[in-house]
Amino acid sequence: EVQLVESGGGLIQPGGSLRLSCVASGFTVNGNYMAWVRQAPGKGLEWVSLIDSGTITYYADSVKGRFTISRDNSKNTVYLQMNSLRAEDTAIYYCAREGGGSGDGFDYWGQGTLVTVSS
Amino acid sequence: DIQMTQSPSSLSASVGDRVTITCRASQTIDSFLNWYQQKPGKAPKLLIFVASNLQGGVPSRFSGSGSGTDFTLTINGLQPEDFATYYCQQSHSLPLTFGQGTKVEIK
Repeated sequence: EVQLVESGGGLIQPGGSLRLSCVASGFTVNGNYMAWVRQAPGKGLEWVSLIDSGTITYYADSVKGRFTISRDNSKNTVYLQMNSLRAEDTAIYYCAREGGGSGDGFDYWGQGTLVTVSS
Repeated sequence: DIQMTQSPSSLSASVGDRVTITCRASQTIDSFLNWYQQKPGKAPKLLIFVASNLQGGVPSRFSGSGSGTDFTLTINGLQPEDFATYYCQQSHSLPLTFGQGTKVEIK
């Protein structure tokens, strides 16, 4: 059974850092496009970052230079390092797999982890 | 960036109704359009990928159509478990973008 489990969210002050983890089971993150998508409270979905089947990474302009996506194949885990956090980064962060490679939609999602940026 | 606009933003419907949600892209995205269903407190669920392909395990009452800039999600025979928010998403080019969502409520 395919499963994605996120962790690492919490309450953090503006300017602080957090690292989110997404542990995959039932498939290997190596060779899959993996992404982070966030949802601010009561709002819609916003794509944050993507790592392709290799090592190429992409970011939304809103997080570029502050967030870093990475993958540890030995742990079958994807990470999102978030630095210089702002109030507007407050959201549920979902890890998702892009099925079939690029373009086929996110076919598996984690349950999400809540990040709250507040003093 | 490609802007995705859904209409309506919300609708009220009854069990058994046929429901249609539209999604318009600000530029052509060929058929790179996906549809998701999200229920409160849950992660989104992929329903339709590449405009018209039904994701495995999704009931056949859901269907998608369109290409270029205009797309449609249709639910034929709305069921109680279909009351949710629906999002379209373009996967043609980065940044990936979502529509603002359509909330389907019980009439």
